[in-house]
Amino acid sequence: GAGVSQSPSNKVTEKGKDVELRCDPISGHTALYWYRQSLGQGLEFLIYFQGNSAPDKSGLPSDRFSAERTGGSVSTLTIQRTQQEDSAVYLCASSQGDVNQPQHFGDGTRLSIL
Amino acid sequence: QQQVKQSPQSLIVQKGGISIINCAYENTAFDYFPWYQQFPGKGPALLIAIRPDVSEKKEGRFTISFNKSAKQFSLHIMDSQPGDSATYFCAASNSGGSNYKLTFGKGTLLTVNP
Repeated sequence: GAGVSQSPSNKVTEKGKDVELRCDPISGHTALYWYRQSLGQGLEFLIYFQGNSAPDKSGLPSDRFSAERTGGSVSTLTIQRTQQEDSAVYLCASSQGDVNQPQHFGDGTRLSIL
Repeated sequence: QQQVKQSPQSLIVQKGGISIINCAYENTAFDYFPWYQQFPGKGPALLIAIRPDVSEKKEGRFTISFNKSAKQFSLHIMDSQPGDSATYFCAASNSGGSNYKLTFGKGTLLTVNP
């Protein structure tokens, strides 16, 4: 079956531009997570969705970051007025949303800010 | 505050040897401990996971050992193969929380020489 799909796989943009990153979770998965992976670092939690609501946005690093999820499926992570420190791999994961259900990751979007 | 500390940062093992990666956590509410394997350009893939009601879990060549009193857990890879060369991440979550978000260690780059 299809796994978590993320697009684009790579994005290069100029500082100050806005970017949108897309995540298509595994069909039927109610929970969706965004993580950020910087060079040489582990994965940093950004935001969690259960259905279309985001009960935990505690990991978003600034108000330039926002995310939404529609139809309990596709999610978009938006970064406004990008800065060079936003350069990273943005990973999306989905799970069935129950206790200890494994999170399945996409291959990420590699974002480079020039 | 780094809640999950992982060591070593990098590890070189000969083919057929045992690879050992260690993690320590601080939050006593954590009760789910997965290990992920990540190849370059790919998202992390769940390898094996453990809950603290057992001290060891084995799946094929991969074993997790868990020490609740010491708040430590480790991954052992027996008969290491060149195909095991990847970055390994330990993680932890609190199933009593509301979102099951994962807190990751910073990763271990494993190289298995032929």
